[in-house]
Amino acid sequence: DQQVKQNSPSLSVQEGRISILNCDYTNSMFDYFLWYKKYPAEGPTFLISISSIKDKNEDGRFTVFLNKSAKHLSLHIVPSQPGDSAVYFCASQGAQKLVFGQGTRLTINP
Amino acid sequence: GAGVSQSPSNKVTEKGKDVELRCDPISGHTALYWYRQRLGQGLEFLIYFQGNSAPDKSGLPSDRFSAERTGESVSTLTIQRTQQEDSAVYLCASSLYRGRLGNTEAFFGQGTRLTVV
Repeated sequence: DQQVKQNSPSLSVQEGRISILNCDYTNSMFDYFLWYKKYPAEGPTFLISISSIKDKNEDGRFTVFLNKSAKHLSLHIVPSQPGDSAVYFCASQGAQKLVFGQGTRLTINP
Repeated sequence: GAGVSQSPSNKVTEKGKDVELRCDPISGHTALYWYRQRLGQGLEFLIYFQGNSAPDKSGLPSDRFSAERTGESVSTLTIQRTQQEDSAVYLCASSLYRGRLGNTEAFFGQGTRLTVV
């Protein structure tokens, strides 16, 4: 029973273009959503979050969009840079426990 | 230290032996999580501690796995009679609980890479 799904295991984007990573969730009790970035041999690092009372949150090159009716969130990175190449995990929180998706490996090509 | 600290960073053990993994959360963080990441897989929830409440153990894969936490400090994850399928990176995270506002974002340690041979 996967409550948080990232259906694209990998994504390749040209440097300077927009990267869009998608995430779907099933539990309507989730009320806080987060994106994490993970480099090899390191723990995940927090990127950006959004609460269920909002539909958009922006921080520099990173914007997270939340569509509650579709139970869908996305992370936009623009412009994409080579250092953005990593695995991105979305996570959802409700009743305190944090549930992660399977991750999407983003590769930024020069 | 300022971040979440895990030890050891790497552990190689023989099948059937017991192992103990340690996590030092960020000071003041009442919430503590353990996750596991197998090769090529996502982050698998194992257990969640919140203050003095009963932990959420719903992710522990078998009774060979157990975890303890003393108050709001150090946590240890113990795997008894290790199997090769237990090989993974074990990640610990902590966050600040804000009551009805829920938890802040979780901060992760660097993980313990466990290899069972």
